[in-house]
Amino acid sequence: DSGVTQTPKHLITATGQRVTLRCSPRSGDLSVYWYQQSLDQGLQFLIQYYNGEERAKGNILERFSAQQFPDLHSELNLSSLELGDSALYFCASGRRLNEQFFGPGTRLTVL
Amino acid sequence: KNEVEQSPQNLTAQEGEFITINCSYSVGISALHWLQQHPGGGIVSLFMLSSGKKKHGRLIATINIQEKHSSLHITASHPRDSAVYICAVRGISNFGNEKLTFGTGTRLTIIP
Repeated sequence: DSGVTQTPKHLITATGQRVTLRCSPRSGDLSVYWYQQSLDQGLQFLIQYYNGEERAKGNILERFSAQQFPDLHSELNLSSLELGDSALYFCASGRRLNEQFFGPGTRLTVL
Repeated sequence: KNEVEQSPQNLTAQEGEFITINCSYSVGISALHWLQQHPGGGIVSLFMLSSGKKKHGRLIATINIQEKHSSLHITASHPRDSAVYICAVRGISNFGNEKLTFGTGTRLTIIP
């Protein structure tokens, strides 16, 4: 158990819908990272937050947005969902540079 | 060509064999990670390297910065080592952030 929690574990929804994935980092970790793992693209970095501020952006679609709240938990919002958004979404957190502890992931299925 | 290439893509070995998984990258990096993804999907960070060699139990990771190459070795392999092993790099240009670029992974199966 990494100490990073993600909810929900599984999410099934329809095209065009909007969902919110939640991540609670390990106690004391200021950095939160979001990743997408799909069958065809593998693991991809989406976005990093550090103490509430966006630090780095990767291959995140405009339909996706994220934020980190004052209590350091983070949410990833996915809207206008498409079939291709079906994937595992991982959150990771860390305290020091190059340290990342991964959550168990949220499996999103878009029908 | 991907920035991070792993080989082999799939590897099947007998229990007890010495395993080597390779990772080559094409950009300057500040750090390289080895990750393990279990069949259930969970990801564990095994090593972070910026130079030299690290050892943890039966796992050894090495990196050669000049050759842009890293290897992950498993000694006395066991069926519980069966997993996907993923290499990821943090580029030099990513100072101040920790964007990782991932390889496609090596699926390792250890047969009892």
